[in-house]
Amino acid sequence: GAVVSQHPSRVICKSGTSVKIECRSLDFQATTMFWYRQFPKKSLMLMATSNEGSKATYEQGVEKDKFLINHASLTLSTLTVTSAHPEDSSFYICSAWDRGHTGELFFGEGSRLTVL
Amino acid sequence: ELKVEQNPLFLSMQEGKNYTIYCNYSTTSDRLYWYRQDPGKSLESLFVLLSNGAVKQEGRLMASLDTKARLSTLHITAAVHDLSATYFCAVIRTDKLIFGTGTRLQVFP
Repeated sequence: GAVVSQHPSRVICKSGTSVKIECRSLDFQATTMFWYRQFPKKSLMLMATSNEGSKATYEQGVEKDKFLINHASLTLSTLTVTSAHPEDSSFYICSAWDRGHTGELFFGEGSRLTVL
Repeated sequence: ELKVEQNPLFLSMQEGKNYTIYCNYSTTSDRLYWYRQDPGKSLESLFVLLSNGAVKQEGRLMASLDTKARLSTLHITAAVHDLSATYFCAVIRTDKLIFGTGTRLQVFP
């Protein structure tokens, strides 16, 4: 079945550095992908919609300069956390609709970011 | 603004018992999803409910949808320890999925 893969699954970085997380649709094309953030024991919060070939759409309250999203191809979206701080530590999950195949929404495995 | 609320937020139940998790949402939506999340993991899809009155069952879990009341339920029958996890409902808003607050279920012997 359709698969969405994220990389890396875990990353630890120092404050002030930037971290890139990749989200790939492995056997389908995704013109749109979604990025979520989850704090411990909390729900998933939608951060932004990644659009292939155009700018991402950010949800209210999400800093677009802090969380850079690029959707360079039909199978790859990236989230870059710039100048990371400890409060950016979180679980980031991407998802994509497999419109052509099953019509379902598939989620990546998630990426746990820890900023020291 | 679409709000999705679940009740209860935390549920501790004995094996063999039945219980229901409720999901209320504030605006009209076509579809409702239920997911399971184990600690440190991503989401596992449980059910997709597409219309008013839809009912789906898988093992000890049964989900239903009442679009008029903007309410979905996830019923657990004869709980077992393996069902311990966090359960989320989620509702479509345009093309996006908005998640409920989550219900953390703990099943004990």
